[in-house]
Amino acid sequence: KAGVTQTPRYLIKTRGQQVTLSCSPISGHRSVSWYQQTPGQGLQFLFEYFSETQRNKGNFPGRFSGRQFSNSRSEMNVSTLELGDSALYLCASSFPDSTDTQYFGPGTRLTVL
Amino acid sequence: QKEVEQNSGPLSVPEGAIASLNCTYSDRGSQSFFWYRQYSGKSPELIMFIYSNGDKEDGRFTAQLNKASQYVSLLIRDSQPSDSATYLCAVSGGGADGLTFGKGTHLIIQP
Repeated sequence: KAGVTQTPRYLIKTRGQQVTLSCSPISGHRSVSWYQQTPGQGLQFLFEYFSETQRNKGNFPGRFSGRQFSNSRSEMNVSTLELGDSALYLCASSFPDSTDTQYFGPGTRLTVL
Repeated sequence: QKEVEQNSGPLSVPEGAIASLNCTYSDRGSQSFFWYRQYSGKSPELIMFIYSNGDKEDGRFTAQLNKASQYVSLLIRDSQPSDSATYLCAVSGGGADGLTFGKGTHLIIQP
């Protein structure tokens, strides 16, 4: 079974621009979660989508948003990019069930100049 | 605010020895516990998950959970240089609140 895929793998943007990242979950998985990983803060939860609905959101500003499509693929968008948004953005998919076992994609490395 | 604490390391272990990684968590309502391995420049890879008190073994890996003490550990037997990585402990309360991660322990297996 194919794993979680994320595109693009690398992005370079400048301050003020916006960016859209894409994630395709493991076949049969219906829940997609997004995380931001930085050296200082570690892995932090952004939001989770299930059946095209955002179920929960972490402590990030409204510039961070996402959506999920009927085929469970998900996108996240960051508007008005700031230097501090430079990070590895990880998508994880899960079945879901009560165990919340999540499998990560390779990530998108975003650099904001 | 849910918190997951790990010793950042580095933890240096000789090849062939047992590596012991520890994690404590603050939320008593946590239900699922995970260990991920992350190589430099790569994404986290799920190694083990545990939901019930006690030990769970999978090959060279053993996860231990003690909910009364709010403590999770990972033992790696017969450590290999390829086990050198950062090990992330993650906790879930169930439902849709996402995983809460520790900052990770950097493990170095010395040949």
